[in-house]
Order: sequence, then structure tokens, then C-alpha cells
Amino acid sequence: DGGITQSPKYLFRKEGQNVTLSCEQNLNHDAMYWYRQDPGQGLRLIYYSQIVNDFQKGDIAEGYSVSREKKESFPLTVTSAQKNPTAFYLCASSRGYGGSTDTQYFGPGTRLTVL
Amino acid sequence: GQQLNQSPQSMFIQEGEDVSMNCTSSSIFNTWLWYKQDPGEGPVLLIALYKAGELTSNGRLTAQFGITRKDSFLNISASIPSDVGIYFCAGQRSNAGNMLTFGGGTRLMVKP
Repeated sequence: DGGITQSPKYLFRKEGQNVTLSCEQNLNHDAMYWYRQDPGQGLRLIYYSQIVNDFQKGDIAEGYSVSREKKESFPLTVTSAQKNPTAFYLCASSRGYGGSTDTQYFGPGTRLTVL
Repeated sequence: GQQLNQSPQSMFIQEGEDVSMNCTSSSIFNTWLWYKQDPGEGPVLLIALYKAGELTSNGRLTAQFGITRKDSFLNISASIPSDVGIYFCAGQRSNAGNMLTFGGGTRLMVKP
């Protein structure tokens, strides 16, 4: 099956710990994105990467870090510096060629709860 | 970052009724997208609109790209219980690295 996978589905973390969320895609997409969703809210962009070994901050990057060592993978680390990390995290990918038809497709999400 | 103004925030309707929701922006977009999100899942793309004035259907769903390029609406005809979920609009500008700007969502509840 082609698609985007995120793991784990649910993640619990103690306050003060770093945690890494996985995102993998086998769609051969160049661009990948991380969003945060809070209850009753829309999606806010954390980081994005348009090509391997390059990534850019989104609107709410503070307290997060990413890497893009492989085209298929774009892991997100939620660091202890993130003040309010409990949220639903969504990964997306797109072909990334820059045209107006470059649609983003989403993974199933990871719900992070800080205890 | 900017969010689109999406309304209504929530709707509680009877099965079989038609539904309409819309998004407006102060800025122009090249593309409008409509996604549906089921509880605890990622958004799924419903309809993509690429041209001002475009009207596109996908089964019981119809969406239009406003001629000013600053708004879009989504209609659902003859709603059924599985239409329940949150519907998001998103605008995309080709000169902004394909970044999406999202509306706040419309939560749809359907009473059988």
C-alpha cells in the first residue's frame, strides 16, 4: 500500500523528556510537513522540508526539531523546551514541485500526551 | 500565521438535509482544498479547486472556488450519518512554497 505512516498512534511522555515522532512515506514525495492540532482548532505548521537534508521552520517551530536524512522519513522531536506539547501531531507529504496542484496528503496522526 | 475564516464552527442537522459551509480570506489563493477529518485520524482530501470560478463535484459534495479567489464553499447534499466529522478548508499559494493556510474547521453532526 502506498501512503504515509505515523507511529506510534498514542504516545505518553513525562514532563521534561524529549520524544520523537515517526513519519514515513512511500509515495516518492519530495516535500514533507509537520502540523500540530489542538482540540477544536485548525492545523498549524511546525516544520517543513522540500528536499532531503533541508528543512524550514513553520509558524510554531519553537520547542521542536526535525531531520530529513532520507526522502522517505521526516521525524519530529518534541523537546522539553516545548511548553505545552500535549496535542495531535499530523505529518503530510506532497510531490513538492511547486505548482498550484501540489496537494498535501496526511498521515493518520500521533496523539502525544504529557503526564 | 494567518488562518482562514471558516463558518459555521459547528452544525447539527437531521439526516437527509443539505449542508453548506464556507471559507473567506483577506488574501488571494491559487488553490482551495477541502479536507474531512474523522475523530483521531488525519484529514482526507475531498475536493481540490485550481481555478477561480471553478465548480467541482465529488459524489454528494460540491465545492466552488470564488471568483475573487478569496473564498470557497462546500455543499453536502442529502447528508448521511457517515458525513459526521470536521471539515477543513485550506488555501494554497504557489509563490509561498505550497504552504497551506487552514480554516478553523466546521464540525458536522448528523442526527439519524
